Amino acid sequence: KQEVTQIPAALSVPEGENLVLNCSFTDSAIYNLQWFRQDPGKGLTSLLLIQSSQREQTSGRLNASLDKSSGRSTLYIAASQPGDSATYLCAVYTVGNSKLTFGKGITLSVRP
Amino acid sequence: DAGVIQSPRHEVTEMGQEVTLRCKPISGHNSLFWYRQTMMRGLELLIYFNNNVPIDDSGMPEDRFSAKMPNASFSTLKIQPSEPRDSAVYFCASHYFILAGADKSNNEQFFGPGTRLTVL
Repeated sequence: KQEVTQIPAALSVPEGENLVLNCSFTDSAIYNLQWFRQDPGKGLTSLLLIQSSQREQTSGRLNASLDKSSGRSTLYIAASQPGDSATYLCAVYTVGNSKLTFGKGITLSVRP
Repeated sequence: DAGVIQSPRHEVTEMGQEVTLRCKPISGHNSLFWYRQTMMRGLELLIYFNNNVPIDDSGMPEDRFSAKMPNASFSTLKIQPSEPRDSAVYFCASHYFILAGADKSNNEQFFGPGTRLTVL
């Protein structure tokens, strides 16, 4: 059974810092991995999708990497801003299982 | 496209009443998912459909919950009778699922804004 872990559960950093959010999964047989952002009281917004054959994806100040063999992904946020404050969730699609398995998320607070 | 559409956005009801949540997936998507999110349990998958057929309903809490997808553009999640412990945010999501392909937009799941349900 696929399990996705995100540690720590919460993170507080000063504005301007480059930061890395970690995600690990137990079953490396995946189709893809997706990073989402959720603002308080809102739905989930897809940030980046990495296919199993890819090593990384970039969108603006965000860069997500995938090391499938070791069961790890990182979301790198450059020059963090207070507007980046939100909960970030990663999710994987496991081979033979047509549904996403989510981590519990990392709640990020960027202090001005 | 307007994205995944859910209604109502907020629902307040009394224990014992029937509640129906609605979802319109993104046009062209062949998979639809119902999730529930609470502070205590996080995001839980309740049921998902592929080509309008329920594939896995193992996350449905109990018989009080039922879901239908009569066509590719509409799904409902019904709770009857509702209980206070059903209070949560219910999300619908959809995607176009294929097993292979280089198009990075394939398999990307999109969420609706959610329905915040309060059962008194």
